[in-house]
Amino acid sequence: GENVEQHPSTLSVQEGDSAVIKCTYSDSASNYFPWYKQELGKRPQLIIDIRSNVGEKKDQRIAVTLNKTAKHFSLHITETQPEDSAVYFCAASGYTGNTGKLIFGQGTTLQVKP
Amino acid sequence: DAGVIQSPRHEVTEMGQEVTLRCKPISGHNSLFWYRQTMMRGLELLIYFNNNVPIDDSGMPEDRFSAKMPNASFSTLKIQPSEPRDSAVYFCASSYLRGQSGYTFGSGTRLTVV
Repeated sequence: GENVEQHPSTLSVQEGDSAVIKCTYSDSASNYFPWYKQELGKRPQLIIDIRSNVGEKKDQRIAVTLNKTAKHFSLHITETQPEDSAVYFCAASGYTGNTGKLIFGQGTTLQVKP
Repeated sequence: DAGVIQSPRHEVTEMGQEVTLRCKPISGHNSLFWYRQTMMRGLELLIYFNNNVPIDDSGMPEDRFSAKMPNASFSTLKIQPSEPRDSAVYFCASSYLRGQSGYTFGSGTRLTVV
């Protein structure tokens, strides 16, 4: 089945710096890759996603890149702010037929220091 | 829409007792997922349903766990008998089956078994 590896497990940056989180997946048939942000004590929330027919997608300070050949995708946050501090999860769709089952990475705890 | 609604928000129970967690998905969503989140194991997929039919329950840890979805607007996850190692946050999420859209998570149920 699908396996998703996420790195690093923790990341600390200064306010204003960029942060990059990387994920690799195992199932070459996966073609949907969302990213979730989870603040302490709250639910995971979708922040951006990318499909396999696109190499890069951007939404304000957040961007995601996908390399299908290498089976890895990354989240880029520019001009980080203290409110970006949270746990970030990548996921890949273990897509077989119409299942749409998402497998999550282990999470990255991002700390943005003021 | 009120989003995915889970109840209760918190549950404290004694070992050996039966616990029932409830979930109401977003109206119109036809896939429903139960996840368990712990510090050690991250977000684990327990079971998911498409059009009220259980598709994959390979993540259910033991026979003590069972899940049902009697109709499109309601699902339950039951643990009987509960054990301290079941303590975790249990999330329900829903999505559209086709189109590989991201999940919408409920607020979760924090279960503590003493």
